[in-house]
Amino acid sequence: DIQMTQSPSTLSASVGDRVTITCRASQSISTWLAWYQQKPGKAPNLLIYKASSLESGVPSRFSGSGSGTEFTLTISSLQPDDFATYYCQQYDSYSYTFGQGTKLEIK
Amino acid sequence: QVQLVQSGAEVKKPGASVKVSCKASGYIFTTYGISWVRKAPGQGFEWMGWISGYNGNTNYAQKLQGRVTMTTDTSTSTAYMELRSLRSDDTAVYYCARARSEYCSGGSCYFAAGHYYMDVWGKGTTVSVPS
Repeated sequence: DIQMTQSPSTLSASVGDRVTITCRASQSISTWLAWYQQKPGKAPNLLIYKASSLESGVPSRFSGSGSGTEFTLTISSLQPDDFATYYCQQYDSYSYTFGQGTKLEIK
Repeated sequence: QVQLVQSGAEVKKPGASVKVSCKASGYIFTTYGISWVRKAPGQGFEWMGWISGYNGNTNYAQKLQGRVTMTTDTSTSTAYMELRSLRSDDTAVYYCARARSEYCSGGSCYFAAGHYYMDVWGKGTTVSVPS
């Protein structure tokens, strides 16, 4: 299986900050990568697919980039609603796999 | 609006089976597949498999082959996931999610068979297997 490694595991930031989360794949996945946001007790919410395509209804402060093995999720100006856990997921080849998550905390 | 409604929490004995349902609404069921994902306490997400809403074709995680069966009932727009020979490490929240493959580039949109991301999720079903 393809291993997905996210960094950092935890990120402390303030409202208004620009933050970047990195996801690395153990082998090339082209751009078959999605990003999800999850809040406690809730199901994940799709933010980005195909590495850089913004899902409909997701604020434009979220953006994704990358290809091959290295990807980033950027939030341009953190809002209070953005403090959550973020996961990357590859869907290049079965079995699809997820990163271990990045918890975004209020500084 | 697109919605996936899952069945309620289950508590099962080791060795038993569980069948979780996922009823879709707000879209044409046969035009999308359903993926199943689980998250055990303190663990990461684990993709379990995918089933086509069109023809019932499946693709299961190798780790679960032989223990999991995914099915659909197109007459009720419902997907099912059955897991057999339950163990304590099957304790998890089980999610169904609509599997989408469309992406757009340069003004055109494409379908990418075999490359499914999950755009709408059910709320999850807690399955507990106490040891």
